[in-house]
Amino acid sequence: EAEVAQSPRYKITEKSQAVAFWCDPISGHATLYWYRQILGQGPELLVQFQDESVVDDSQLPKDRFSAERLKGVDSTLKIQPAELGDSAMYLCASSYTSGGDTGELFFGEGSRLTVL
Amino acid sequence: DQQVKQNSPSLSVQEGRISILNCDYTNSMFDYFLWYKKYPAEGPTFLISISSIKDKNEDGRFTVFLNKSAKHLSLHIVPSQPGDSAVYFCATHGGSQGNLIFGKGTKLSVKP
Repeated sequence: EAEVAQSPRYKITEKSQAVAFWCDPISGHATLYWYRQILGQGPELLVQFQDESVVDDSQLPKDRFSAERLKGVDSTLKIQPAELGDSAMYLCASSYTSGGDTGELFFGEGSRLTVL
Repeated sequence: DQQVKQNSPSLSVQEGRISILNCDYTNSMFDYFLWYKKYPAEGPTFLISISSIKDKNEDGRFTVFLNKSAKHLSLHIVPSQPGDSAVYFCATHGGSQGNLIFGKGTKLSVKP
């Protein structure tokens, strides 16, 4: 069964350091999402791509976070510099289409970030 | 302000009994709802969904009920099994771009 691949699964870093997460969506899925889940909360959207274009990054803290999907396939989410409050699970998801369709999102296993 | 609310952080149920998880939403324009299940250290997995043109959708032990006038939906699990112990998220396609808006989740514990 096709899966969304994410790496690393776990990352421990010190504050002010740079950290990067990688995601490979299910083959053929045009839409890719990065969500952040803080413990005890639901996932919150950081950025959404349609192919290589950003369609929603309104909740992405752009002073320290960046995301790219250069060839419209895999994606990288970067944080620089990391802050203590960035400790969370970073979830990547993909779907076949977007734009308000009723399709489900398929999530990867997530990348757990701990900032010390 | 939360658009999708799950007001019960946790629920404990005996094996074999019914589990009922509740979700409220604020915007009557929301027209499609999904439930996701999440185990620790894993990503959420899709469980069941319902369109606003229906008031019930059933899949095996899982049934979702939608009350549009009350802006309320519920997930029923019958019979509950220990393997159902997880965090359950209610979500809706609230954005124009099709992304999901999630509630805070309810942690279900099914005791043998």
